[in-house]
Amino acid sequence: QVQLVESGGGLVKPGGSLRLSCAASGFTFSDYYMSWIRQAPGAGLEWVSYIGGSGSDISYADSVKGRFTISRDNTKNSLYLQMNSLRDEDTAVYFCVRGSREIGSWGQGTLVTVSS
Amino acid sequence: DVVMTQSPLSLPVTLGQPASISCRSSQTLVNSDGHTYLNWFQQRPGQSPRRLISKVSQRDSGVPDRFSGSGSGTDFTLKISRVEAEDVGVYYCVQGTHRLTFGGGTKVEIK
Repeated sequence: QVQLVESGGGLVKPGGSLRLSCAASGFTFSDYYMSWIRQAPGAGLEWVSYIGGSGSDISYADSVKGRFTISRDNTKNSLYLQMNSLRDEDTAVYFCVRGSREIGSWGQGTLVTVSS
Repeated sequence: DVVMTQSPLSLPVTLGQPASISCRSSQTLVNSDGHTYLNWFQQRPGQSPRRLISKVSQRDSGVPDRFSGSGSGTDFTLKISRVEAEDVGVYYCVQGTHRLTFGGGTKVEIK
């Protein structure tokens, strides 16, 4: 069964950096696009970024472009999100999600709090 | 980006009664491959979203048949034929035909 487990969240000051990881299992990881989607406290859902199975097709939401970098390691069945120049408005639960157009399975999420 | 507009924002329902959620997109969701990438997700309190419906009307494995999706082009609907207590949560429509965007959510609660 598909399992996605995020890690790496925490408290960081504005301007700081964090790297999120997502460990995938239960499916052939390299066959799938993967996405990061976030949910601010008490708010709706916002797509952040996606990456193709080989890592060559990448896209970002305008709100994070130039600050966040998505990557993957298919040998480790892992997805990453490097977040730099963090802002208060980046505070959210970050979900690792399988797919990009037809999204399906979600992880449990990891909380990122940006605050001084 | 495609704007997804859901209504109502809040939906109080009596147990055993039907419920209906509307979702409208600012552009057609028919993709060049002929598919319409409109999904419905349920997010129960404290949980991650769970997909109920894909491509407008395809119910996911394990989803009760009281959930159904319909629509075309820019207008879509999620229906619950008889609401049960476990259906409480927030429901989101999400389109994947263009860059992924979500509706604002509809909170279903029991009267």
